Amino acid sequence: GAVVSQHPSRVICKSGTSVKIECRSLDFQATTMFWYRQFPKQSLMLMATSNEGSKATYEQGVEKDKFLINHASLTLSTLTVTSAHPEDSSFYICSGIRTGGQALTSTDTQYFGPGTRLTVL
Amino acid sequence: AQSVTQLDSQVPVFEEAPVELRCNYSSSVSVYLFWYVQYPNQGLQLLLKYLSGSTLVESINGFEAEFNKSQTSFHLRKPSVHISDTAEYFCAVSERGFQKLVFGTGTRLLVSP
Repeated sequence: GAVVSQHPSRVICKSGTSVKIECRSLDFQATTMFWYRQFPKQSLMLMATSNEGSKATYEQGVEKDKFLINHASLTLSTLTVTSAHPEDSSFYICSGIRTGGQALTSTDTQYFGPGTRLTVL
Repeated sequence: AQSVTQLDSQVPVFEEAPVELRCNYSSSVSVYLFWYVQYPNQGLQLLLKYLSGSTLVESINGFEAEFNKSQTSFHLRKPSVHISDTAEYFCAVSERGFQKLVFGTGTRLLVSP
């Protein structure tokens, strides 16, 4: 199967610091990766779509200068939460789409990472 | 825009009993529908999906879901659950032609002996 990993699984940081979360596709190439955010007892909310080698596309209401996304290779996307504040505390989840080099279609399956729990003190 | 409602936050059930997890969606355009399962400390895994064709879709582990356009529902069912089915189940919808998934709030299925 297709495996996506995230690192770290948990991170605690002080307010004002920046935190980087890595998302890796371990056994496939992901030209497109997604970043989601989940608050307790709420649904996953898409934050941004990340395409390898190009700028990420952010959903409405998501601050692109606060949540920096870099998709430098076909197997790695990173999310950096800059100047984190307690309200940024959340569960961050990434997903990748395996296309096998073929054109992306809307029916391609997303493979999800296990998530990263960020706590900002 | 699409939205998904999973009214049951938690469903307790005894082993070998049947279960239904409810999912209703709202959309002004045609959609694809998905059920994902999340086991503890793992990422979401695709359980089954409806793209087109037969409205009844099945997974390899005995779950099935039926797309009901008139009721805008995509309920998940299993005739006999196992302890190992204990997990969080998420219903999701995407607009046809697009990859963006909109998720429900999830239903925790708790199977006890």
